[in-house]
Amino acid sequence: DGGITQSPKYLFRKEGQNVTLSCEQNLNHDAMYWYRQDPGQGLRLIYYSQIVNDFQKGDIAEGYSVSREKKESFPLTVTSAQKNPTAFYLCASSQGRAHEQFFGPGTRLTVL
Amino acid sequence: AQSVTQLGSHVSVSEGALVLLRCNYSSSVPPYLFWYVQYPNQGLQLLLKYTSAATLVKGINGFEAEFKKSETSFHLTKPSAHMSDAAEYFCAVLSGYSTLTFGKGTMLLVSP
Repeated sequence: DGGITQSPKYLFRKEGQNVTLSCEQNLNHDAMYWYRQDPGQGLRLIYYSQIVNDFQKGDIAEGYSVSREKKESFPLTVTSAQKNPTAFYLCASSQGRAHEQFFGPGTRLTVL
Repeated sequence: AQSVTQLGSHVSVSEGALVLLRCNYSSSVPPYLFWYVQYPNQGLQLLLKYTSAATLVKGINGFEAEFKKSETSFHLTKPSAHMSDAAEYFCAVLSGYSTLTFGKGTMLLVSP
């Protein structure tokens, strides 16, 4: 089955540590996205990539970094510079303009 | 810049009653609009999308939405609510080449 996988589902880290969230898709989509979801805030775009080896900042990129070395993979690193990293993180992919985004199951990150 | 406003963070209906979830958009160009549903601790699933074809769009699970340019609205409806419809619903507008801007979401509560 084609789809998007995110791992792990739950992640706990100590304050000050960097952490990397995995996102893999086998839909052969060109574009991939990372969102952060907080209660009552909807989804906010962190980074997106429309092609391999290229990515752009979204609305809340500060304290995050990404890479896109392979078409199927788009890992997100939450750095120690992110002031409030505890949140639900969602990865998505799409074929291109006006096409719907397909979402992974999400990773819930808790920083202790 | 494109934006989305969802009226009502929570909507409560009885099983069998009409479901109406409101979405108003702001867009400087003809919009592409989407409705997604999210069940607890899961990713988002596309319900339906408007891409400038028919103004009445039918989606999955008996949901539909009507695009009204004069009212800048894209409200989601379902004639008869089911307990399994209880979830959070997000309206989104295409805000770049392929990026989406989401509303803050509406939680639908269904009582027996």
